[in-house]
Amino acid sequence: AQSVTQPDIHITVSEGASLELRCNYSYGATPYLFWYVQSPGQGLQLLLKYFSGDTLVQGIKGFEAEFKRSQSSFNLRKPSVHWSDAAEYFCAVGAIRGATNKLIFGTGTLLAVQP
Amino acid sequence: DGGITQSPKYLFRKEGQNVTLSCEQNLNHDAMYWYRQDPGQGLRLIYYSQIVNDFQKGDIAEGYSVSREKKESFPLTVTSAQKNPTAFYLCASSIAGVMNTEAFFGQGTRLTVV
Repeated sequence: AQSVTQPDIHITVSEGASLELRCNYSYGATPYLFWYVQSPGQGLQLLLKYFSGDTLVQGIKGFEAEFKRSQSSFNLRKPSVHWSDAAEYFCAVGAIRGATNKLIFGTGTLLAVQP
Repeated sequence: DGGITQSPKYLFRKEGQNVTLSCEQNLNHDAMYWYRQDPGQGLRLIYYSQIVNDFQKGDIAEGYSVSREKKESFPLTVTSAQKNPTAFYLCASSIAGVMNTEAFFGQGTRLTVV
């Protein structure tokens, strides 16, 4: 069955430090992978996506993610975190489940940024 | 500006009442979705629609109903049969099936049962 795992529920980093958020997926075919960000009480905004091609994808706000098929991972990175990056981050895979095309989300990682 | 509008932002409902959440998009998207978000559980799909006058149940459809009479609109009704309706509800849309296109989300409706 298709699934997404985000093993870190909550992460705290200092402003200016680097960041890596982990995402592992389970999917039989080539996955379509996404990272979304959600500010409190708001909807989700797309950070980046991977469909095919170059395994290192660049997104908005200085984020990047690397697709590693051998590890079934799609980790999100940022070299220097800003206080405004504090939010909840969701990894998702586009999948077919039965007759449904849909996004399957991980449970999210809540990022706190210390000054 | 194109986008998805959900209303209201906050909604309170008495137990035993039905309530309808609005979702409108002007992105000319065919596919629309309703997700429920609870702390620590990510987003779970309630219903989705790929085309007008057609919709499918998602993973947690019990206690919910939808309609898709217009391409732009996909309202969600939370019925009294939903045992635990207090949650944050998100509507989304995409060009076609979600697999190969990104989904755009509304700002959400927070429903509280009082």
